[in-house]
Amino acid sequence: GQQVMQIPQYQHVQEGEDFTTYCNSSTTLSNIQWYKQRPGGHPVFLIQLVKSGEVKKQKRLTFQFGEAKKNSSLHITATQTTDVGTYFCAGKADGQNFVFGPGTRLSVLP
Amino acid sequence: DTAVSQTPKYLVTQMGNDKSIKCEQNLGHDTMYWYKQDSKKFLKIMFSYNNKELIINETVPNRFSPKSPDKAHLNLHINSLELGDSAVYFCASSQVFGTDPPWDTIYFGEGSWLTVV
Repeated sequence: GQQVMQIPQYQHVQEGEDFTTYCNSSTTLSNIQWYKQRPGGHPVFLIQLVKSGEVKKQKRLTFQFGEAKKNSSLHITATQTTDVGTYFCAGKADGQNFVFGPGTRLSVLP
Repeated sequence: DTAVSQTPKYLVTQMGNDKSIKCEQNLGHDTMYWYKQDSKKFLKIMFSYNNKELIINETVPNRFSPKSPDKAHLNLHINSLELGDSAVYFCASSQVFGTDPPWDTIYFGEGSWLTVV
């Protein structure tokens, strides 16, 4: 079945440093979504990418969808303590349900 | 107004007991889910219902039985609880069809923290 992997599993950064998490799918995706889960909270939708090579920005967050639609990345510029949490990608292949990656847990040291 | 609400939020119970978690969504979505998140934060889908019909039933022990009385509700009943059932259980919902992306966004409830002792 479809598998979605994410690296790194954990990332500790100093406040102000950049952060990137990578998401890879075993199958070609029709779209990919990113979610953020704050400690003790629930996953909250951030963004969806649909087109090959698509790049979207939300303030300090930059999301990319690979040309082959099998990988994606989330980059945070100049992290802040409010960025702390676990970032999940969720990939969807045609006719399938979303499969969540294992998440990347980000901690930001002030 | 909470979009996806689940109760109880915290549940501590002994091994062997039977417990239920209730979930309701007021978004008008057709599809509802139960996810299990373990201590390592892995989010695993357990069940998916579309308009009261079971669509996905992942490899979950048959001690877990979902029930959907209508498309706005999806409850989870767990029999003979085991220590390994301790986890956070998230109810979620999404739309199946739509015109304005991202129409298939998954909306999660706040989670139910189950601890089996």
